[in-house]
Amino acid sequence: GESVGLHLPTLSVQEGDNSIINCAYSNSASDYFIWYKQESGKGPQFIIDIRSNMDKRQGQRVTVLLNKTVKHLSLQIAATQPGDSAVYFCAENIKAAGNKLTFGGGTRVLVKP
Amino acid sequence: GAGVSQSPRYKVAKRGQDVALRCDPISGHVSLFWYQQALGQGPEFLTYFQNEAQLDKSGLPSDRFFAERPEGSVSTLKIQRTQQEDSAVYLCASSSRDRGFKAFFGQGTRLTVV
Repeated sequence: GESVGLHLPTLSVQEGDNSIINCAYSNSASDYFIWYKQESGKGPQFIIDIRSNMDKRQGQRVTVLLNKTVKHLSLQIAATQPGDSAVYFCAENIKAAGNKLTFGGGTRVLVKP
Repeated sequence: GAGVSQSPRYKVAKRGQDVALRCDPISGHVSLFWYQQALGQGPEFLTYFQNEAQLDKSGLPSDRFFAERPEGSVSTLKIQRTQQEDSAVYLCASSSRDRGFKAFFGQGTRLTVV
């Protein structure tokens, strides 16, 4: 079935380096995407979103890139900090499928001091 | 309140017991979602409300699961005759728009069925 998935289950990053988290989606009808950060014992925290009519969006230290040609989404975190250690999920929404978000399996980011 | 509030944070139920999980969304948010998250996995959609109307319940795993939002604000997810496979974190999210745009999540309720 249609799904959102991630290439790398675990990403180890040196503090201060940039992180790139990737996500592949299979449904070309997906037109809205969100990245969430989830720390242990907490609910997912909204990071940034992007609509399919855009290919790039920037926030504070984060950038989301959307490549609709290859159905690929990435989250870039600049100058990764220890507080960035968490599991990151991408989620998609398909207007025709209603209002639910479909989540990928998650990537764990470990920041090494 | 400032964010989505869920209670209780932790719930241990004996198999066969009924449970009720509460969600207080962000004030004024019209959309409310319930998700189930198994350990080590992403959240899975259960149901969606727009105000008091339950517009999508396609994700509810069985007729033992029931959700309501009678006045368009607080929502309750009820699970009857709990089974061990119901053990998970139950997340509530709300959004000021439809389609879950910028949906904000609560801390979740961790349900353990013993």
